[in-house]
Order: sequence, then C-alpha cells, then structure tokens
Amino acid sequence: ETGVTQSPTHLIKTRGQQVTLRCSSQSGHNTVSWYQQALGQGPQFIFQYYREEENGRGNFPPRFSGLQFPNYSSELNVNALELDDSALYLCASSFPGSYNEQFFGPGTRLTVL
Amino acid sequence: ELKVEQNPLFLSMQEGKNYTIYCNYSTTSDRLYWYRQDPGKSLESLFVLLSNGAVKQEGRLMASLDTKARLSTLHITAAVHDLSATYFCAVSNKLIFGTGTLLAVQP
Repeated sequence: ETGVTQSPTHLIKTRGQQVTLRCSSQSGHNTVSWYQQALGQGPQFIFQYYREEENGRGNFPPRFSGLQFPNYSSELNVNALELDDSALYLCASSFPGSYNEQFFGPGTRLTVL
Repeated sequence: ELKVEQNPLFLSMQEGKNYTIYCNYSTTSDRLYWYRQDPGKSLESLFVLLSNGAVKQEGRLMASLDTKARLSTLHITAAVHDLSATYFCAVSNKLIFGTGTLLAVQP
C-alpha cells in the first residue's frame, strides 16, 4: 500500500510569486486535507477536499486555493507569496469509515525570500 | 472558535520516569487524535479516541478521553530516549491542533 506522497520536498520562492504544491493520497482515500505548519507551531488547517469538492476551509485568505482530481490527488496553490507563507505544508488523506484518521505526507518545505 | 491547548509545552524527563501530557479543548468534539512528530519530519498517527471514557495503549503510551471535561491525557510510562519528539493532540474532523508538547527524555 502506497502512503501519502508530496512534491516537491523543498522549494524556494520570492515574494509575489506563485507556487503549486502536489499531493498523492494513500490508495483508497478520497478525502485530502492541507495544513500549514510554521516553525515551532502546530499545523493549521487550510482546507479539505472530498470527492473533488471543497469540504471546509480554515482561516486562510483566498490566495490559498486548491484542487482535487478524479484520482484523488490534490494541489495547493498559493498566489502573491508573502514572507509569512514560509512553512512546512502538509497534506493528509483519509477515507470514510476510518473515523477520519488522517495519514500525513512528508511535507513540502517552502521558503519565501 | 474551537481552541485546543496542551500543557506542558516542554517536558524534560529522565528515562524510567512517568509523566502525563494534558490536552484541553474549548467546544464539544466527538473525537480526539494524538500525533507524534520527530524533528523535521511529518506527523505519525498514534491514537484515535472516539467516545467518552475511551482508553488506548500502545507500548509505553496510553491515551484517554473525557468528553465531559473536554480533556484528553497522554500518559508516558517508564520513558525511554526513543520517545523524544513533539506530541500533538487534535480535535474535530478538520483537525484543529493543540500547541504541541516537546518531550525530551534524558538518559
């Protein structure tokens, strides 16, 4: 069984640029959630997708957007990058009947200069 | 707004000792999760607690849930160095995380 994978592992961007992060869900999982984890803090919920539809959103501005594809892989897009967007971005997948136990990918470390 | 607090934020303990991490949350939740995070790594699921009075144990770790008190505990028995990590509790199906507890087990 393949776990959750994310790409790229690391990324360096400059302020104002746009970035796309990718996530492949664990096999059989149709729900994906994205989290932002700043250094020394707990993960913050960005949004969740279930069967290609947004299923809840945290307190993040609209420049954070996402997509889920028919194969349940997902993208997180961030426009107009700011210095404070520097963080570890984690995606997690889950499936119905699992009590929403979420399985996390290794994360993408984004640095905004 | 749902808030989740953990204490202590930092815990230094000697090998062989016992200790408890506390997780309080502000509004009703029917489920609570515990995760472990090693430095620079992702999160590993430890426990899923689904009902009042639920208790789960894995090795030296035991987690419990009191939904009436909105409190969960993670008890560490006879700590070993390998348990050194940051431990997070989280509630709701959108995973609202606590502040985390950095555990350092000293030989």
